[in-house]
Amino acid sequence: EVQLVESGGGLVQPGGSLKLSCVASEFVFSDFPIHWVRQAPGRGLEWVGRIRRIGDTNATGYGESVKGRFTISRDDSKNTAYLQMNSLKTEDTAVYYCLRQLLGSAGFDPWGQGTLVTVSS
Amino acid sequence: QSALTQPASVSGSPGQSITISCTGTSSDVGAYDYVSWYQQHPGEAPKVMIYDVNIRPSGVSGRFSGSKSGNTASLTISGLQAEDEGDYYCSSHTSTKAWAFGGGTKLTVL
Repeated sequence: EVQLVESGGGLVQPGGSLKLSCVASEFVFSDFPIHWVRQAPGRGLEWVGRIRRIGDTNATGYGESVKGRFTISRDDSKNTAYLQMNSLKTEDTAVYYCLRQLLGSAGFDPWGQGTLVTVSS
Repeated sequence: QSALTQPASVSGSPGQSITISCTGTSSDVGAYDYVSWYQQHPGEAPKVMIYDVNIRPSGVSGRFSGSKSGNTASLTISGLQAEDEGDYYCSSHTSTKAWAFGGGTKLTVL
């Protein structure tokens, strides 16, 4: 089964850092762009950013609210994508999902189960 | 405020058809045939129902269909069933190489 599994969420103080991981299975990970999307408690979905295949131009892109603070990377040898989050704010509190972008499409499938990040003192 | 505009809620009785709209601009919905729709049940991750305006992934019921006209995309669910109840989100690629989501629509099956 094609699957994505996130980990690394938890409680962090404002101004702190956290690194999320997204491990893929049952597909050729290196062929696919990977995105991160978040959902604050009781709220809608917000695009965080994406990383294209290694070697593609403009490999990474970010939403305005996280630009300059968050960094997406990938290690294709480990079938893993990462989301490094720095200078965290209380408004970054959310469930973070990683997603696979379908080839030749802008659709996302599958989504991981999500990992909760809570930014609070 | 979300980049794409959806109604906050819609409702319908079993067997009926409902349509959820998703309004953007000429820089996102109107610019590309890259609109997707996602269904989310409480406590679960979203699931793709339609992508690239009107393509239904394998395993998704034929009761779900998508369309687009100008800057507005639509998701139609026919033959409404109890398990269709949940939140629905639209998404579109944008001219700034980003992705935008709608604010979500809560579907209630009466």
